[in-house]
Amino acid sequence: DIQMTQSPSSLSASVGDRVTITCRASQSISTFLNWYQQKPGKAPKVLIYGASSLQSGVPSRFSGSGSGTDFTLTISSLQPEDFATYYCQQSYTTPPYTFGQGTKLEIK
Amino acid sequence: EVHLVESGGGLVQPGGSLRLSCAASGFTFSNYEMNWVRQAPGKGLEWVAYISSSGNTRYYADSVKGRFTISTDNAKNSLYLQMNSLRAEDTAVYYCARIDYSRGWCVDYWGQGTLVTVSS
Repeated sequence: DIQMTQSPSSLSASVGDRVTITCRASQSISTFLNWYQQKPGKAPKVLIYGASSLQSGVPSRFSGSGSGTDFTLTISSLQPEDFATYYCQQSYTTPPYTFGQGTKLEIK
Repeated sequence: EVHLVESGGGLVQPGGSLRLSCAASGFTFSNYEMNWVRQAPGKGLEWVAYISSSGNTRYYADSVKGRFTISTDNAKNSLYLQMNSLRAEDTAVYYCARIDYSRGWCVDYWGQGTLVTVSS
């Protein structure tokens, strides 16, 4: 099975900061990489699919990049509503569609 | 509008069984692949099971293989998860999740989740 490793596990930042979260796959997954945001007590929400495609309705301050094994999620200018936990997920070929362990983004 | 509504969660003793349901609406259910994803209290997301749109192909996480069964009833627009031989480590919120093959097989819609607690 493909393992997904996110870093960092937690991150403190301020409103207006530029933030980058990384995700590494244990083998090449082309661009079959998705990013989700989850707020406490809520279901996750997809932000980015296919490594770099922005889901409809998601603010343009979110962006994704990468291919193969290394991927990044960037938030260009943090807003108060962006403080949440972020997960990457690979959807390469057949399941299991494994998730990373999550990155908790907290207010500094 | 797409809606996924889970039900069937609750408290069950170790070794017991539970059947989760997910009622889908707002889209042609039979055209979509579906997942169950769970989240233990305070922990991350764990993919649990997958079923193809035809219902003919199913995959399971190693942690539930042989104990859980995913199924669909297209006439009822419903997804199910039969959970047997439950263990304490199965305690989690279980989410029904729709896969969008046109968007790289991401999960584009999630239910609100149903809590399963395995405890004596």
